[in-house]
Amino acid sequence: GQNIDQPTEMTATEGAIVQINCTYQTSGFNGLFWYQQHAGEAPTFLSYNVLDGLEEKGRFSSFLSRSKGYSYLLLKELQMKDSASYLCAVSRDNYGQNFVFGPGTRLSVLP
Amino acid sequence: EAGVTQFPSHSVIEKGQTVTLRCDPISGHDNLYWYRRVMGKEIKFLLHFVKESKQDESGMPNNRFLAERTGGTYSTLKVQPAELEDSGVYFCASSQEGGTSGNLLGQYFGPGTRLTVT
Repeated sequence: GQNIDQPTEMTATEGAIVQINCTYQTSGFNGLFWYQQHAGEAPTFLSYNVLDGLEEKGRFSSFLSRSKGYSYLLLKELQMKDSASYLCAVSRDNYGQNFVFGPGTRLSVLP
Repeated sequence: EAGVTQFPSHSVIEKGQTVTLRCDPISGHDNLYWYRRVMGKEIKFLLHFVKESKQDESGMPNNRFLAERTGGTYSTLKVQPAELEDSGVYFCASSQEGGTSGNLLGQYFGPGTRLTVT
């Protein structure tokens, strides 16, 4: 079966660093995506990892370990606008993007 | 560049009625996907079009759901007859031509249609 786990909720302080973990077990793997979704809005693409290691993009970084079925999204210098849900999604095959989504982590950034 | 658009943004219908959701992908995107998120659950894949052809419809829950993409541009998702458990948010996403995730920056999602069946 397909299974992706994320913490349901996290809270952090403005200016701090937060790490959102994602573990997955899927039949097939062709990349892991992170999306940000503000309430009532479309999920927006943040990052993509297909090889092990860290991908850095500004204040956001994403890490992948394929052998461990594990990824994390690291947010630095948190801002109030970073309060949102963060979705981990695994692409299962090579010929499309049949995503399996995690339940999402709701992050609240406090002043 | 305009993003993925969906219509309507909200729809409230009674059980047994028919509803048609529309998705307009980003211009030039061959790949179009439908997803839905029922209350309290994760987003789940429904189906994938490449141009006008259904590449994968393994996520469609049953034969009350019919998706079309005539001409390979916009797509419609019809639910007939609607049931209570069909309530949720239906997302559409599109991506550029290309068969592997590595060539893509990711799917671009629309804002979703919130469907409520009473």
